Amino acid sequence: AQKITQTQPGMFVQEKEAVTLDCTYDTSDPSYGLFWYKQPSSGEMIFLIYQGSYDQQNATEGRYSLNFQKARKSANLVISASQLGDSAMYFCAMREREGTSYGKLTFGQGTILTVHP
Amino acid sequence: DAGVTQSPTHLIKTRGQQVTLRCSPKSGHDTVSWYQQALGQGPQFIFQYYEEEERQRGNFPDRFSGHQFPNYSSELNVNALLLGDSALYLCASSQGWDRWREEQFFGPGTRLTVL
Repeated sequence: AQKITQTQPGMFVQEKEAVTLDCTYDTSDPSYGLFWYKQPSSGEMIFLIYQGSYDQQNATEGRYSLNFQKARKSANLVISASQLGDSAMYFCAMREREGTSYGKLTFGQGTILTVHP
Repeated sequence: DAGVTQSPTHLIKTRGQQVTLRCSPKSGHDTVSWYQQALGQGPQFIFQYYEEEERQRGNFPDRFSGHQFPNYSSELNVNALLLGDSALYLCASSQGWDRWREEQFFGPGTRLTVL
């Protein structure tokens, strides 16, 4: 089974509108972290937001918020007031225990977001 | 404060050759992870180094090996290159190897093309 599933290969949004990028995950570890990264065409992965499995509140970072529904194992990214510069590939990723280590990030396939003026 | 740096930015090799990619972690970070990202795919974890030892490894053959130096910088070596090794190679650094809350900061990547 896929550890991280992003079902939207591509999304379009009008400038200044909000958009939700979907992410579901699969783990049996009670301690895990969920991350969203942005990857512009330049290639560098830019960290956006983090949610821990024990966090009671949904994470927020500026225009980014994470809609964390633990029972449904979903961690959707919400971008408010989209800007042209938000056009990029977005990856959801998870960190969980593998043996004794939490080192590895497992990524989804990504969603390409295009913001229209 | 310098972020994660990688060299070179681009590299072209032929099948069967060997390649070495380099990474310097963000200041204050002691753990380096390497990822391979094929075109249109999400990054795949290769391995992670902490205290000059490989701590965790992904599903990659032994042709992929690495090293971490006392100053925390790291190298990724790939032997006997195959066409399928063509990808963007990303280095990420973090503080501590066993902290699930720690984010990993990524470098700009090295784009390897194997002809």
